[in-house]
Amino acid sequence: ETGVTQSPTHLIKTRGQQVTLRCSSQSGHNTVSWYQQALGQGPQFIFQYYREEENGRGNFPPRFSGLQFPNYSSELNVNALELDDSALYLCASRPGGRYTEAFFGQGTRLTVV
Amino acid sequence: SQQGEEDPQALSIQEGENATMNCSYKTSINNLQWYRQNSGRGLVHLILIRSNEREKHSGRLRVTLDTSKKSSSLLITASRAADTASYFCATDDSGAQKLVFGQGTRLTINP
Repeated sequence: ETGVTQSPTHLIKTRGQQVTLRCSSQSGHNTVSWYQQALGQGPQFIFQYYREEENGRGNFPPRFSGLQFPNYSSELNVNALELDDSALYLCASRPGGRYTEAFFGQGTRLTVV
Repeated sequence: SQQGEEDPQALSIQEGENATMNCSYKTSINNLQWYRQNSGRGLVHLILIRSNEREKHSGRLRVTLDTSKKSSSLLITASRAADTASYFCATDDSGAQKLVFGQGTRLTINP
């Protein structure tokens, strides 16, 4: 039990639609990151938020966006879904920023048809 | 982009044997971490080793780090069926604000 919860667990969307994935972090963990994991691959960093500000971004287009809220919850929004967006999306929180272990949620399995 | 490269990509051993997985990386790091993932679900943190450490133990896990070779290894001793999972190394770069994961090693423990 990592104390990080994600919703929904599974989701099926149609190409072109928009999706919002949610994450609830542990209290006091003011850094949250989102990762995309394609089947058989390692997680790819999407972006990171620290105290509600984005402070790092991976090689993902602007249609991937996020928010972090004061209550340690966060969102990942993806617009104009493409088939290649089908993946496991993982949320991870860290206490106090960099150079610590990350606590991962169970992920949201997104399928785009 | 992937930073760490795990080797081997897949490993199958008998229960009770030791399993060794290797990870190589490219940039300067603050620390290197190992994670386990069961059946495509969330990742579970196993161990963190800082760049000024050479070896670290946690239960049946032993991790080494060689910063001169930019490589790390994870040893699982006396393996159990429950150790069957994918194992990932992740580097916490000195400058970047992110963990960078490798492709992972799929470990299968046969009873």
